[in-house]
Amino acid sequence: DTEVTQTPKHLVMGMTNKKSLKCEQHMGHRAMYWYKQKAKKPPELMFVYSYEKLSINESVPSRFSPECPNSSLLNLHLHALQPEDSALYLCASSQVGLAGRLTYNEQFFGPGTRLTVL
Amino acid sequence: EDKVVQSPLSLVVHEGDTVTLNCSYEVTNFRSLLWYKQEKKAPTFLFMLTSSGIEKKSGRLSSILDKKELFSILNITATQTGDSAVYLCAGGATNKLIFGTGTLLAVQP
Repeated sequence: DTEVTQTPKHLVMGMTNKKSLKCEQHMGHRAMYWYKQKAKKPPELMFVYSYEKLSINESVPSRFSPECPNSSLLNLHLHALQPEDSALYLCASSQVGLAGRLTYNEQFFGPGTRLTVL
Repeated sequence: EDKVVQSPLSLVVHEGDTVTLNCSYEVTNFRSLLWYKQEKKAPTFLFMLTSSGIEKKSGRLSSILDKKELFSILNITATQTGDSAVYLCAGGATNKLIFGTGTLLAVQP
């Protein structure tokens, strides 16, 4: 299984809602990532988990809260979002390299969740 | 500040043409250069390059890295309409990927 799955595919939420994005992989990868991608822009890294521990937070606002309950699952909890947070949210996973180094290995991406904040 | 710059920003060619996409990078703790193809949704992996001067090939696509001059190129020969996509280049550092803005390739029949 070389697939990263994400649910839901589309999400529309109001600024007062609480919702969660889910990501799952069964490739045995121990590094998982959240990216945000705006239209016609490249993906921007948000968070990196390595061995289920948060290793990178790219100064993301606290209204985004990641969670890695186990080695196969990655969640992104959303609360009090703003309309400018509307974007495609991509999850990715990769093997962890030698000495625990990340991301100079190939990352496999999920299909993304298209989020619209009203 | 880390940056990855791709050129051209967009390109329109006809089927059968050969195209060359460019990527230059300035990435702290550089480890690898990756190419992805993005159509409507998720980026799909094409190549990862870690050594200078060694060409990687996959069918009609090939890529090479120059670590001295800090750039990479992606070549596509005999282009087909199915090659139409955004091609993303990313610099792999110790803990992250830094993406370029992409090259939008449109292949016309």
